[in-house]
Amino acid sequence: GAGVSQSPSNKVTEKGKDVELRCDPISGHTALYWYRQSLGQGLEFLIYFQGNSAPDKSGLPSDRFSAERTGGSVSTLTIQRTQQEDSAVYLCASSPDLEAFFGQGTRLTVV
Amino acid sequence: GESVGLHLPTLSVQEGDNSIINCAYSNSASDYFIWYKQESGKGPQFIIDIRSNVGEKKDQRIAVTLNKTAKHFSLHITETQPEDSAVYFCAASMSARGQNFVFGPGTSLAVLP
Repeated sequence: GAGVSQSPSNKVTEKGKDVELRCDPISGHTALYWYRQSLGQGLEFLIYFQGNSAPDKSGLPSDRFSAERTGGSVSTLTIQRTQQEDSAVYLCASSPDLEAFFGQGTRLTVV
Repeated sequence: GESVGLHLPTLSVQEGDNSIINCAYSNSASDYFIWYKQESGKGPQFIIDIRSNVGEKKDQRIAVTLNKTAKHFSLHITETQPEDSAVYFCAASMSARGQNFVFGPGTSLAVLP
């Protein structure tokens, strides 16, 4: 398929462990976004990559969160020392210009 | 910065009636507005967008209208169907590259038989 792919689709981790979430954007899309969605809530912006520009990290909730985008394509969101409040669906989106296309998300549960 | 909000968190309509979901934004420099539909267990899906130089845009049963003076834009669904039941998110951004989307909290649309 040509859509945004996220892996894993579900992740259960113990409190205090580190997790890595992966996003494969649509080929050729220069922009990539990470959002977080808690149960029944809206979309909370985390980080935004645009081409070779410095990423907009203004939405990252703490220094336990970081993200990389290698070669302008695949992105990984890393959460260190996970806490229960990190439990949410993490959504990735990519965009060629304006419209953003979302993946199905990774549901993270911290126990 | 931008903030985006929806006027109603939930909306119930009878099947066949028309639906309107409103969204307010704060940044007058925003010039691109978009609606997403999210069904349970899925990521948001694009449904329609509008730029600030246009007042209305239609795509079959879906339309979006923009009121720049009032700084709000609306999603219109005609002859609402059961498959329209979902959470609808609005977002605003500045079309210049380097700007991220600011999403509203979402409106849950329930279509009653």
